[in-house]
Amino acid sequence: GNSVTQMEGPVTLSEEAFLTINCTYTATGYPSLFWYVQYPGEGLQLLLKATKADDKGSNKGFEATYRKETTSFHLEKGSVQVSDSAVYFCALSDLGRGGFQKLVFGTGTRLLVSP
Amino acid sequence: AAGVIQSPRHLIKEKRETATLKCYPIPRHDTVYWYQQGPGQDPQFLISFYEKMQSDKGSIPDRFSAQQFSDYHSELNMSSLELGDSALYFCATDVYEQFFGPGTRLTVL
Repeated sequence: GNSVTQMEGPVTLSEEAFLTINCTYTATGYPSLFWYVQYPGEGLQLLLKATKADDKGSNKGFEATYRKETTSFHLEKGSVQVSDSAVYFCALSDLGRGGFQKLVFGTGTRLLVSP
Repeated sequence: AAGVIQSPRHLIKEKRETATLKCYPIPRHDTVYWYQQGPGQDPQFLISFYEKMQSDKGSIPDRFSAQQFSDYHSELNMSSLELGDSALYFCATDVYEQFFGPGTRLTVL
């Protein structure tokens, strides 16, 4: 079945450092790809998405490019802030029964940013 | 803008008790998905509904059941609760992307 693999955390960075969180996927067909962020004690918030190969999703300084040739969707940010500390989940849409999409998540990567 | 509403936000139950979690989707969203996120785990798909009919089923235990009502809200019913059911339960609704509710944190003692 479809699956998502993320780099293990925690990722510990100083403020203003460059961030990369690796994500690769296995899928049949052409899924959409997503990054969700989860702050402590809160729900999942969509950070960015890409629906086809070579698409770049971006939001709040975060970027990720849908790379079909390497089956990757790495998350990057040029300068992280303390407020970016959270758990980041890579996910893909998986076509279930009846043609409806469900999400398949990676295991999540905790990001800790220190001042 | 209206978001997905889940209630209750926190629930504490004893083993073997039952629990009912509710999800109110964004207005005019007719699809509901339920996910379970164990401590330190990624969310796992449980079940989904479209137009009040079950559309897909994931790793949902037989002790759990769910339904979607005429106003599109959904309820997840959990019986014979076990310690391992302690988790954060999310519902999500979508048109072209899934919007998640804040989750219900269930603790089974």
